[in-house]
Amino acid sequence: DTAVSQTPKYLVTQMGNDKSIKCEQNLGHDTMYWYKQDSKKFLKIMFSYNNKELIINETVPNRFSPKSPDKAHLNLHINSLELGDSAVYFCASSQAGGDTQYFGPGTRLTVL
Amino acid sequence: QKEVEQDPGPLSVPEGAIVSLNCTYSNSAFQYFMWYRQYSRKGPELLMYTYSSGNKEDGRFTAQVDKSSKYISLFIRDSQPSDSATYLCAMSEIGGSYIPTFGRGTSLIVHP
Repeated sequence: DTAVSQTPKYLVTQMGNDKSIKCEQNLGHDTMYWYKQDSKKFLKIMFSYNNKELIINETVPNRFSPKSPDKAHLNLHINSLELGDSAVYFCASSQAGGDTQYFGPGTRLTVL
Repeated sequence: QKEVEQDPGPLSVPEGAIVSLNCTYSNSAFQYFMWYRQYSRKGPELLMYTYSSGNKEDGRFTAQVDKSSKYISLFIRDSQPSDSATYLCAMSEIGGSYIPTFGRGTSLIVHP
């Protein structure tokens, strides 16, 4: 049973395209997150959703938009992709106000 | 200066060695400390967490926190080739969003 799952695992696309990454968790957690891990392995928070409400939005470009249809899902939409968006994107979840985060397997995005 | 500093390595050790992985931090408000392990092309998984100064042991792993020095360590005894991975420290403030700040990770290679 996969706790946090993401699709697709790999995504290769051209600059300027719009793409989405999906995330689902079956842990019953109230909070979900999106992280970006760059080529130097730094893991940086992008968004956090608690009970379908955005509670943290770090300074990411507005080309990135999280969408949460319900508390088990948090999708990431990216418009007008740029070369610098190439990275691994991780979804994670935790209990509301909880500390331990459980990560998905990651989506490796390559923008050509 | 980044909030959390971690040497990226790689750290290469022979099987059976005792491994010491370390992080320093600057934010004295950090009260919750975590170690994640990330295998190549996988998501981070939580290894250990602790709130307090001192040692916490779990099998071959020991987490150590020295708040006065703002220094945390992870020790791995009897290291195995299967321990080869990137180890990320993470820490957060108590209360609020609990969003952790991650170190960049140390790459560990245990060779037979």
